[in-house]
Amino acid sequence: DTAVSQTPKYLVTQMGNDKSIKCEQNLGHDTMYWYKQDSKKFLKIMFSYNNKELIINETVPNRFSPKSPDKAHLNLHINSLELGDSAVYFCASSRPGRNSYNEQFFGPGTRLTVL
Amino acid sequence: DAKTTQPTSMDCAEGRAANLPCNHSTISGNEYVYWYRQIHSQGPQYIIHGLKNNETNEMASLIITEDRKSSTLILPHATLRDTAVYYCIVRVPTGFQKLVFGTGTRLLVSP
Repeated sequence: DTAVSQTPKYLVTQMGNDKSIKCEQNLGHDTMYWYKQDSKKFLKIMFSYNNKELIINETVPNRFSPKSPDKAHLNLHINSLELGDSAVYFCASSRPGRNSYNEQFFGPGTRLTVL
Repeated sequence: DAKTTQPTSMDCAEGRAANLPCNHSTISGNEYVYWYRQIHSQGPQYIIHGLKNNETNEMASLIITEDRKSSTLILPHATLRDTAVYYCIVRVPTGFQKLVFGTGTRLLVSP
């Protein structure tokens, strides 16, 4: 069973377009994250949601808007795509709490290419 | 989050133990040491974590020095599938803590 899934796996689009990436987790976790891995392979946090509420926003441009319809889903919508948005985007989830050490489980990634 | 220092790359022969060091000299008392790895074209994968005692699970062993300023991840019998970038991260496990990834160690396991 897939724990954290993302769609699509690959996304190729033109500059200026608007696109969405979807993430779903079936682990029953309360917290979900979006990370970005650029061409130099640096992995950086973008957003974190807990119980559908935004917890972390790491100075990401307003063109990026995460949406969490429920605890199991965290989607990422990107407006007016730019060349610099080309990267691999990873979704992750975790279950913070007294009985958890908060290890994060990552999805397979979505490779976004902006032409 | 405390910073960590890891070698850029390491090589290991298949079947041998891979020992990956990590320096975290500024770690604070309530921070744990976590290890993740990222196999090419996949998402990062949690391996193990520890506070001050040595830990072992089905994937690896974690040895933390008594002063907690450094640690070593041990893959006892490395296989080709263990070729990956290994990240050492120190953080407090509570709350909604983000993972701060450094550059990691690129481990190449060769036949």
